[in-house]
Amino acid sequence: EVQLVESGGGLVQPGESLRLSCAASGFTFSDYWTSWVRQAPGKGLEWVANIKQDGSQKYYVDSVKGRFTISRDNAKNSLYLQMNSLRAEDTAVYYCARVHSSDGFVDFWGQGTLVTVSS
Amino acid sequence: DIQMTQSPSTLSASVGDRVTITCRASQSISSWLAWYQQKPGKAPKLLIYKASSLESGVPSRFSGSGSGTEFTLTISSLQPDDFATYYCQQYASYPWTFGQGTKVEIK
Repeated sequence: EVQLVESGGGLVQPGESLRLSCAASGFTFSDYWTSWVRQAPGKGLEWVANIKQDGSQKYYVDSVKGRFTISRDNAKNSLYLQMNSLRAEDTAVYYCARVHSSDGFVDFWGQGTLVTVSS
Repeated sequence: DIQMTQSPSTLSASVGDRVTITCRASQSISSWLAWYQQKPGKAPKLLIYKASSLESGVPSRFSGSGSGTEFTLTISSLQPDDFATYYCQQYASYPWTFGQGTKVEIK
């Protein structure tokens, strides 16, 4: 059974940092691109970042470039999102997601972890 | 960036109704479009990919069509389990972008 389990969310103050983790199981993690997608409370979905199977290619939405870093450890079947200089507008549920192996859409989502940025 | 616009934003319908949701892209995305269903407090679930391909396990009452800039998601006979919010998403180019969502409510 495919599983993606996020962790690391919580309440932080503006300007602080947080690192999200996503543990993958039930599939060969190193075969897939993976993503982070977020959803602010009561709002729609926003793609945040993608990373290639071997970590050699990374893409980000403009609003997080220079502040967030996506990474992965295939030996640990894990995906990460390092978030620095957090802002109130980064408050959201962050979903870890798997990208379909031959096409570029998300075919499986984790349950999400809530990040709240507030003073 | 490619903008995705869904209509309507909210839709009130009854069980058994045929429901159509439209998604328009600000430029051509060929068929690189996916549809997701999301229920409150839950993660999104993939319904349709490549504009018209039905994800395995998704009921056949869901269908997708379109190419270029105009796409539709159709539910042929609305069931109680289908009341949810639906999102389109383009994956033709970065940044990936989603529509604002269509909430399907009980009439």
